[in-house]
Amino acid sequence: DAKTTQPPSMDCAEGRAANLPCNHSTISGNEYVYWYRQIHSQGPQYIIHGLKNNETNEMASLIITEDRKSSTLILPHATLRDTAVYYCIVRVAGNQGGKLIFGQGTELSVKP
Amino acid sequence: DADVTQTPRNRITKTGKRIMLECSQTKGHDRMYWYRQDPGLGLRLIYYSFDVKDINKGEISDGYSVSRQAQAKFSLSLESAIPNQTALYFCATSDWTGATDTQYFGPGTRLTVL
Repeated sequence: DAKTTQPPSMDCAEGRAANLPCNHSTISGNEYVYWYRQIHSQGPQYIIHGLKNNETNEMASLIITEDRKSSTLILPHATLRDTAVYYCIVRVAGNQGGKLIFGQGTELSVKP
Repeated sequence: DADVTQTPRNRITKTGKRIMLECSQTKGHDRMYWYRQDPGLGLRLIYYSFDVKDINKGEISDGYSVSRQAQAKFSLSLESAIPNQTALYFCATSDWTGATDTQYFGPGTRLTVL
């Protein structure tokens, strides 16, 4: 699975959009981009994933650049409950040993 | 995710004791996983199971064993607990759609081995 690079921390004002970047310059054509978050010691929570098209669900939007070497997770209206560590993970789906490789992630602090 | 439950949520035990952590899911997924998380580190895979008759070791299986009693249940056992097994343990499930297999995690079990 390709390696990802994320900023260690970010701040965001409550009610504003939070834009979390991820670099995955060595991504392969069959690798998906997944985003998870972990709120202090709770189980990681799935947010969204995509292959090459932009994706949106009830939690967030995922923007993947045309060359697929980077992506941005967008939380459109951040709330205090969005304070968490956000993980960008690149992996081949399917029978590949199963594991998700969690890097250091970005610690997002949403402030009033 | 409330569809994946873990028991107990907290456990304190002594060195040498045998303990079992249990995971149940109502998502109907075939695939289940056990991870551990240590402070400041990411999650590491202990064991995974793609169906009831398929059990596979992960990257840190030494000192652990698992049992897949049914599609919905996957238990992790520490045969003789040691202090460096003190960690947060997470169970996860996933469904294979033919293209992706998104994993959904339980709330975790905090294990302390004295």
